[in-house]
Amino acid sequence: GNSVTQMEGPVTLSEEAFLTINCTYTATGYPSLFWYVQYPGEGLQLLLKATKADDKGSNKGFEATYRKETTSFHLEKGSVQVSDSAVYFCERRGFGNEKLTFGTGTRLTIIP
Amino acid sequence: EAQVTQNPRYLITVTGKKLTVTCSQNMNHEYMSWYRQDPGLGLRQIYYSMNVEVTDKGDVPEGYKVSRKEKRNFPLILESPSPNQTSLYFCASSRDPGNTIYFGEGSWLTVV
Repeated sequence: GNSVTQMEGPVTLSEEAFLTINCTYTATGYPSLFWYVQYPGEGLQLLLKATKADDKGSNKGFEATYRKETTSFHLEKGSVQVSDSAVYFCERRGFGNEKLTFGTGTRLTIIP
Repeated sequence: EAQVTQNPRYLITVTGKKLTVTCSQNMNHEYMSWYRQDPGLGLRQIYYSMNVEVTDKGDVPEGYKVSRKEKRNFPLILESPSPNQTSLYFCASSRDPGNTIYFGEGSWLTVV
């Protein structure tokens, strides 16, 4: 079946550090790719998405590029803040596929 | 305000005692789904519904039932809960599976 492999956490960084959270996916079909953020005590919120190869999703300083050649969708941010502390999930969604596949989540903690 | 509302948010129950977690959305979305979130496993889809009276199994449907009698409601039913169903549950909805998914705030369920 389809799968998403996400960088294991937890990840701890200092404020203003560069962030990368890795995500790779199975390439069957033409999936869309998503990143979500989950703050403590809340549900998941869509952070960014990309629907085809070479698309770049971006939001709140975060970016991820849909790379078909490496089947990756790594999340990056140039300078993290304490408020970015959360759990991040990568998701793969096939065209017309009602079954969504999530990664295991990566807990990110930013220290001042 | 666009919302997905789950109840209860927190519940401790005993093995075998039937329970229902309600989910309601006010966005007139056709697609609704249920997930459980467990450490190291991320989110796994339990059931989904493409529209009223249309439901289908996700990746982990065993021990759960759902119904979709009205567009706005999608309750999750545990007929005979067991301790391995202790988890954090999320309901979600979207206009269709290809669009942005909105999550509820989650329901913590403990089965003792």
